Amino acid sequence: EVQLVESGGGLVQPGGSLRLSCAASGFTFSSYDMHWVRQATGKGLEWVSAIGTAGDTYYPGSVKGRFTISRENAKNSLYLQMNSLRAGDTAVYYCARAGILTGYRPQEGSYYYGMDVWGQGTTVTVSS
Amino acid sequence: AIQMTQSPSSLSASVGDRVTITCRASQGIRNDLGWYQQKPGKAPKLLIYAASSLQSGVPSRFSGSGSGTDFTLTISSLQPEDFATYYCLQDYNYPALTFGGGTKVEIK
Repeated sequence: EVQLVESGGGLVQPGGSLRLSCAASGFTFSSYDMHWVRQATGKGLEWVSAIGTAGDTYYPGSVKGRFTISRENAKNSLYLQMNSLRAGDTAVYYCARAGILTGYRPQEGSYYYGMDVWGQGTTVTVSS
Repeated sequence: AIQMTQSPSSLSASVGDRVTITCRASQGIRNDLGWYQQKPGKAPKLLIYAASSLQSGVPSRFSGSGSGTDFTLTISSLQPEDFATYYCLQDYNYPALTFGGGTKVEIK
């Protein structure tokens, strides 16, 4: 069964750090881009970071310089190191697999990626 | 950054109704758009990718259309299990992604 399981969430003080983990199983982890997405209570979804199969990393401005995404293919694991945490980082954090859902699209010069597998989420609370 | 505006933010509908949700991009994104369903306390689930392609296992009452800046998710006959929040997601700038604000579909 294809599965993603997050862990590592908890309560942390403002300015503190936390490392989230995501354990993958049931598929060839090293062959997929992976993402972190978060959701504050009662709010919408926000993309947090991505890592490609070659280890290239991407972040939105809201977390760039504070969060670091990484992967350890030998352990089928994805990580999110979160530093300088703020109250606004309080959320459920999901890891998600980016599946290639189409063949190569010549007009666009790309494949189409969709987040086709999600974990159950882990809760991060930043509070004093 | 590309902004995604979803409307309405919420709607009330009855079982059997036809429901339409729209998503507008701040710039053209070809057909690089997906639709996700999220139920309370659960992770999102991919319904539609590349604007109009149905993800495997998703009922055919769900359909998507649009290209460029304007997109639509349609549920042809709303079922009890469809009451949820729906999000659009642009991946034109993949891997940098932007979600719409969400549309909560409630029971009338």
